[in-house]
Formats: sequence, structure tokens, C-alpha cells
Amino acid sequence: GESVGLHLPTLSVQEGDNSIINCAYSNSASDYFIWYKQESGKGPQFIIDIRSNMDKRQGQRVTVLLNKTVKHLSLQIAATQPGDSAVYFCADRPGASYDKVIFGPGTSLSVIP
Amino acid sequence: GAVVSQHPSWVICKSGTSVKIECRSLDFQATTMFWYRQFPKQSLMLMATSNEGSKATYEQGVEKDKFLINHASLTLSTLTVTSAHPEDSSFYICSANHLGQLNQPQHFGDGTRLSIL
Repeated sequence: GESVGLHLPTLSVQEGDNSIINCAYSNSASDYFIWYKQESGKGPQFIIDIRSNMDKRQGQRVTVLLNKTVKHLSLQIAATQPGDSAVYFCADRPGASYDKVIFGPGTSLSVIP
Repeated sequence: GAVVSQHPSWVICKSGTSVKIECRSLDFQATTMFWYRQFPKQSLMLMATSNEGSKATYEQGVEKDKFLINHASLTLSTLTVTSAHPEDSSFYICSANHLGQLNQPQHFGDGTRLSIL
């Protein structure tokens, strides 16, 4: 969705529990969605992506769900570990522009040991 | 894997100085690179798309004369912040698409922290 200058929402999770991070997007023409992880002082790191012709995709310990009806995207992290503490961004590619991606506002995940 | 490198990683300079930031794709070629700006506790805001051999495409509200972009080769794009002022202090991040793999996620550099005194 379109990125806005909002205060980052925070999610605190106990180590070993599952985490669910949600994201809403606004552009119904978006055809490609990506989740990124950003650690302090670093650039975004690719986690997983999904195309609009799918509603679920799984990676190692991560699952992305896409609900195009309500323009909602979620990232599920299984057995959350302290190393998962970071800011997570969803990003989408507006259909009109082949390679430009727009970042969502982000969620700060804090894992409690 | 694909690596994007930024230089410098940190720069502090006086108000009025122009600062150049480099973005290099180390092991792949990129016809398109992207420049983002990120303020503390906020998301990445796309500033412009850097196109190899042609003019950059700027996002709405981004001053092209303030943020000069040059993409002279398939592995290097530069962003020059001209006459920088304290409000230009931010984290600047670049990314690149692997040539021929535009339908894949972008690769990001580790950013340049710019502090203007």
C-alpha cells in the first residue's frame, strides 16, 4: 500500500510462539506482494513474496496469506525466535508500473526470550 | 546471491554541502535502480527510479534539482543531495532489479545515514 509517516505499530511475542503481522494495501491493481525484514541500521531483507494469482505461499518458518477481496496481506512466523526481532514491511507493486514497489508502514516485532 | 553495495555507509557534513551517495550492484547488472529515504520509526519512501542511460523518474513531491541522480552504467547509480540542510538528514537506501529478472524481488543496499549539521 501507500507508505505513510505513521508511528510504527509494535507486536510483542513470546519466544517459541507464532507471530502474525498484518498489512492492508489500497491498490486493487497490485499484482505482486513482498515481505521484507529490516534490522536496525540495515537495508530491507527479502523474506517471501506472493503473486496475485495465489492466496497462500509457504517458506521456511514463514507463510504469507493474501486476501484480494479485502486487500489484506499477512505474514505468519512459526516458532518465533529472538533473531526475528526487527521491523517487517509489506510492499506491493502497482500494476501500472512493472518494477516499482511501494512500502507499507511497517510493524516492529519484539520477541521476548 | 545478488549484492547491492552503498557507499558511504555514514556521512556527516555541514549545511550547504553537496553529498554524493553511490549504489553498486556487485555481481549483476541492473538497468533500473531505486532510491528510498527513511526517517526514524517510519517506512521507506520511494524517491525516484534511476534508469541506466536516461533520466531518472521522480516521485511526486521529490525535487529533481535537489536530489540529482545519475545512472551511467549497468552497475552504478549515484544520488547527489545538493546544498544539503538539516532537514535532509535521513537514511537513504537504494535497491536494484537484476537485469532480465524484473519479475523478482529487488535487492537492497544497507543504506547511507546522512547527518547534516
